[in-house]
Amino acid sequence: AQKVTQAQTEISVVEKEDVTLDCVYETRDTTYYLFWYKQPPSGELVFLIRRNSFDEQNEISGRYSWNFQKSTSSFNFTITASQVVDSAVYFCALSEANAGGTSYGKLTFGQGTILTVHP
Amino acid sequence: DVKVTQSSRYLVKRTGEKVFLECVQDMDHENMFWYRQDPGLGLRLIYFSYDVKMKEKGDIPEGYSVSREKKERFSLILESASTNQTSMYLCASSSLGGRVYGYTFGSGTRLTVV
Repeated sequence: AQKVTQAQTEISVVEKEDVTLDCVYETRDTTYYLFWYKQPPSGELVFLIRRNSFDEQNEISGRYSWNFQKSTSSFNFTITASQVVDSAVYFCALSEANAGGTSYGKLTFGQGTILTVHP
Repeated sequence: DVKVTQSSRYLVKRTGEKVFLECVQDMDHENMFWYRQDPGLGLRLIYFSYDVKMKEKGDIPEGYSVSREKKERFSLILESASTNQTSMYLCASSSLGGRVYGYTFGSGTRLTVV
């Protein structure tokens, strides 16, 4: 069975601080996908990134960066120079693939981390 | 703009009522999912469907059923609503193939059972 653990329930920082959100996952599949979503107070889920299990390259997008390490089954998310608009709930999620690796199966979410950035 | 539409944003129902939550997607996606979201528990999968008239149980199917008579529509049914089913319900769809985003989520239905 798949499992995603986000150990940090809530994080509170002051604007311009860097913050890292941890994500640890468990799966028996060799082909899988990892995601991060942001859920602002309005409630919609905003896609941030997708990574497949064969691509361990780290990625940077503006102030956001992601560190994927298969050896520790972790997919951590760092926000550099945080801003008040980054305040939201952040979810890490894991998706299995079908036998051909061409389809997204069910998505398993972590418990979410509530990030509050104070001015 | 592609989207997943959930019929109601807010819903209040009485204990014991039969409740239907509707979800429609306009992307011709094969896969559809129903999740419920509760504070501290994240999103938990209730049911999913990989094809018309096909359904599979997720992690918390008890008290729920689903219907998928047409590809674009996936309905979640609470046969006899109970107060512990008060929650935010999110529908999602995904496609075969390598679409970058993978999943598209609806805006959610906040259900209160009184």
